[in-house]
Amino acid sequence: AQSVTQLDSHVSVSEGTPVLLRCNYSSSYSPSLFWYVQHPNKGLQLLLKYTSAATLVKGINGFEAEFKKSETSFHLTKPSAHMSDAAEYFCVVSDQDSNSGYALNFGKGTSLLVTP
Amino acid sequence: DTEVTQTPKHLVMGMTNKKSLKCEQHMGHRAMYWYKQKAKKPPELMFVYSYEKLSINESVPSRFSPECPNSSLLNLHLHALQPEDSALYLCASGPTPLLNGQYFGPGTRLTVL
Repeated sequence: AQSVTQLDSHVSVSEGTPVLLRCNYSSSYSPSLFWYVQHPNKGLQLLLKYTSAATLVKGINGFEAEFKKSETSFHLTKPSAHMSDAAEYFCVVSDQDSNSGYALNFGKGTSLLVTP
Repeated sequence: DTEVTQTPKHLVMGMTNKKSLKCEQHMGHRAMYWYKQKAKKPPELMFVYSYEKLSINESVPSRFSPECPNSSLLNLHLHALQPEDSALYLCASGPTPLLNGQYFGPGTRLTVL
């Protein structure tokens, strides 16, 4: 079985300060991990993905995430927040399971607020 | 073209109506997905098509009927829905193998009266 836990339901940062959104996963096999962003009343946009290549993954809009197997974490970071980064962020794990053949789990989401 | 389009943007229907949601992509992806998203919740996977064949059905009620007429189009036919089916319906496409990252459309906001 596999799952993700987003450790913070809400994060508030000031514009220009670093962003850290935390995600821990559990997986029996070799997971693929993703971060998506959803702005209000919009669909989801893929920020970045990890699929067992480089452990430091660079995404769009200055975001990056590091896969740490020893800590079972895949935290999302950005050096300097912009007002336009305010949105809902989802950490997602997909995995091959010997029983069901697939599995896909979304975290509950982290709402990022950016203040001027 | 790196876009997934969905029509209509908004849909209001009664419980006895029949309607369809449409999704289109021209990225050459051979996997297409339907999700349901309630307010303040993550998306829930409903159906997955791979090479125009239904690969995954997450035990969705039969009042939702998916169709994949070709590699670019995905439909979701709706019949006899309930008010609790009101939600944002998201279509996504992606490369195979399945679940290897998806590109989402903007969604259809469905209200069932």
